[in-house]
Amino acid sequence: KNQVEQSPQSLIILEGKNCTLQCNYTVSPFSNLRWYKQDTGRGPVSLTIMTFSENTKSNGRYTATLDADTKQSSLHITASQLSDSASYICVVSAESAGNMLTFGGGTRLMVKP
Amino acid sequence: DTAVSQTPKYLVTQMGNDKSIKCEQNLGHDTMYWYKQDSKKFLKIMFSYNNKELIINETVPNRFSPKSPDKAHLNLHINSLELGDSAVYFCASRQGGAGELFFGEGSRLTVL
Repeated sequence: KNQVEQSPQSLIILEGKNCTLQCNYTVSPFSNLRWYKQDTGRGPVSLTIMTFSENTKSNGRYTATLDADTKQSSLHITASQLSDSASYICVVSAESAGNMLTFGGGTRLMVKP
Repeated sequence: DTAVSQTPKYLVTQMGNDKSIKCEQNLGHDTMYWYKQDSKKFLKIMFSYNNKELIINETVPNRFSPKSPDKAHLNLHINSLELGDSAVYFCASRQGGAGELFFGEGSRLTVL
């Protein structure tokens, strides 16, 4: 069964600090992995996409990594800002008919001043 | 110039009523989805349509009936609303199987 597990479920950090969110998956065959950011009361927005051959990809202060061997991804946020407070959702796509998406439960990040 | 728009944003209704949520995307995508996000913030797929054809129908009560008049629209009609239907419903679209998923802003349904 395809599954995506994220940790931690929630996280509180001080403004300016760094943090790392984890995503473990069992989706097979793997196609790609996306990290989405969901602000409170808004729809999720894609931050980055990782394909099988990519190990690291950055989008401003966000850096995603992918280890296809261990089926793990991480999202590192550098120099956090108050606007980073949101839920971060890991979504893995299977390379099969319909390219089914499997969603993680998300990590709720709160950045405090 | 909103990419995926859904209406209404908020919906408060009584048990037993029938309600609809509308969704439109102007991205030219061929696939549209409805997701339900519960109080624990977990997004669960309900339906997927590709070029107006139903391709995914998860275990959803048949009180929920999606309708796609054309590939830019996917509406959700819910009959005989129950308390457990209270959630935020997200419409989304993407092009093909590997494209980025674009979400609407969500429709918060509260059943009293």
